[in-house]
Amino acid sequence: AQKITQTQPGMFVQEKEAVTLDCTYDTSDPSYGLFWYKQPSSGEMIFLIYQGSYDQQNATEGRYSLNFQKARKSANLVISASQLGDSAMYFCAMREGALTGGGNKLTFGTGTQLKVEL
Amino acid sequence: DTEVTQTPKHLVMGMTNKKSLKCEQHMGHRAMYWYKQKAKKPPELMFVYSYEKLSINESVPSRFSPECPNSSLLNLHLHALQPEDSALYLCASSQNPRETQYFGPGTRLLVL
Repeated sequence: AQKITQTQPGMFVQEKEAVTLDCTYDTSDPSYGLFWYKQPSSGEMIFLIYQGSYDQQNATEGRYSLNFQKARKSANLVISASQLGDSAMYFCAMREGALTGGGNKLTFGTGTQLKVEL
Repeated sequence: DTEVTQTPKHLVMGMTNKKSLKCEQHMGHRAMYWYKQKAKKPPELMFVYSYEKLSINESVPSRFSPECPNSSLLNLHLHALQPEDSALYLCASSQNPRETQYFGPGTRLLVL
């Protein structure tokens, strides 16, 4: 089974609108971390936001928020007020702990290509 | 400051060449990583150094040889590569293996 699933290969959004990028995960480890990264065409992976499995509140960082639904094992990224510069590939990633033998490695989803239009 | 630097930005090499990729961070991070990324795919972990010791090698072919000379530097030595090794090579670092990884801009490698 896939540990991280991103079901939207591509998304379009109008400038200034909000957009939600989906991410579901699968782990039996009670201690894990969820990350979102942005990768523009230049190639650099830019860290956006982090949610720990024990965090009670949803993480927010500026225009980015993470809609964390633990029971559903989902960690969707919400980008508010989209800008042209948000056009990029977005990766969801999970770090599992020692319990599952994950060795604290990051497992990435397949990514969602977001295009912001005028 | 969350800057990780990588050199060179681009590299073209023949299958008989020896070259090295370099990664540097001055954030005091004690974990450093090499990833390989093919076009339109997620990054794949290659190596992890934790406190300057190799802690994870994801069964990478021996033509890739990592080196961590000190806590700020990470090298990837390349020898006798194949055309299928052409990819974006990303370096990352984190405070420790459980913390957020910060990536460098990558080296685009083309093997002819």
